[in-house]
Amino acid sequence: AQTIHQWPVAEIKAVGSPLSLGCTIKGKSSPNLYWYWQATGGTLQQLFYSITVGQVESVVQLNLSASRPKDDQFILSTEKLLLSHSGFYLCAWSRLGPSAETLYFGSGTRLTVL
Amino acid sequence: QQKVQQSPESLSVPEGGMASLNCTSSDRNFQYFWWYRQHSGEGPKALMSIFSDGDKKEGRFTAHLNKASLHVSLHIRDSQPSDSALYFCAASEGTGYQNFYFGKGTSLTVIP
Repeated sequence: AQTIHQWPVAEIKAVGSPLSLGCTIKGKSSPNLYWYWQATGGTLQQLFYSITVGQVESVVQLNLSASRPKDDQFILSTEKLLLSHSGFYLCAWSRLGPSAETLYFGSGTRLTVL
Repeated sequence: QQKVQQSPESLSVPEGGMASLNCTSSDRNFQYFWWYRQHSGEGPKALMSIFSDGDKKEGRFTAHLNKASLHVSLHIRDSQPSDSALYFCAASEGTGYQNFYFGKGTSLTVIP
């Protein structure tokens, strides 16, 4: 069975400080990987996606960057946090298949920027 | 422009009652739909997918898709307090790399 693990569970950071969030998918090779951001009680905004190692596409510009250093790992980072970065960050994966595939989410990281 | 619209924004039903959630897309390229459920503090979990016109039933949950009107609904019968959550409709154009579009969600409260 596939498992998705996100870390850390929660972070409290100061404005202007750096950030690194991570995600690991086990039990599935070459998944499509995604980062989503969610304001409290809000909709899911896709930030990045990756089809293969080393390749990441940006969907929205929020002074964030993402990298896929390994097939099963996806990293979200920034050098300088803004207040607007607060929210719930979700990593997700889907299969690359011949038909539409379901998106599976991790348990998320709650980020509070002060 | 929001490509996936959900209604109502919030909904309260008594325990044992029927909850009905709606979703409409403005993009005719969307052929594949999902319903997700998110409990507070957790990641969304896929409830069910529906890709063909008509009804799809999984336990107490029934989804209905009308591709002509780009309308999909979710009906929860015998609602339980544990069904209280945020429900999202998601749509996709299809195969290969998929871009998923989510609605703003419907907050369901089941009153004991």
